[in-house]
Amino acid sequence: DVKVTQSSRYLVKRTGEKVFLECVQDMDHENMFWYRQDPGLGLRLIYFSYDVKMKEKGDIPEGYSVSREKKERFSLILESASTNQTSMYLCASRPVAGGTDTQYFGPGTRLTVL
Amino acid sequence: GESVGLHLPTLSVQEGDNSIINCAYSNSASDYFIWYKQESGKGPQFIIDIRSNMDKRQGQRVTVLLNKTVKHLSLQIAATQPGDSAVYFCAEIVTSYDKVIFGPGTSLSVIP
Repeated sequence: DVKVTQSSRYLVKRTGEKVFLECVQDMDHENMFWYRQDPGLGLRLIYFSYDVKMKEKGDIPEGYSVSREKKERFSLILESASTNQTSMYLCASRPVAGGTDTQYFGPGTRLTVL
Repeated sequence: GESVGLHLPTLSVQEGDNSIINCAYSNSASDYFIWYKQESGKGPQFIIDIRSNMDKRQGQRVTVLLNKTVKHLSLQIAATQPGDSAVYFCAEIVTSYDKVIFGPGTSLSVIP
């Protein structure tokens, strides 16, 4: 089974803090994604990475950055957290091979910015 | 109980009844569709997918129907069980340029 893990299930930070959200997958998937999930809005893509050292902006990259130094790890960084970044953050991975576009999701990190 | 679409975000059904969850997708170029199930406190899980060259696909207790004419996707769950209580959302994908759009979801509650 594919396993995608996220470093924290719940996180509380203060406005202006730098926040790191870590995601690790154990299936050697090339592609990795970061989303945020807000009620009534569905999942919105923040950043994605097709492979190590690669990163692409998604639909809502403002206020975020990412790092992919190793294939299994994709980090989301909030340089200076703001209250409007309070959300559920979901990481996902996807293999290139296999003929599927299915993404495998982690359990999510619920971030509250005070 | 029958859902009338994403503008009805909650659906309550009696245990044992069939559930129908609907999704109106937006892009006529979308050629691959996925239904995900998200239980409380967990990440989304793949349920079933369908490609645009099909109009029906069946899994275990679930069926996905695709109507490309009206850009409509539905998920049917047979003999709904309490463990089916979750938020269900669809994803539409344009595989040629790897664009995924997720729907906002429908919350399914199963009444024992």
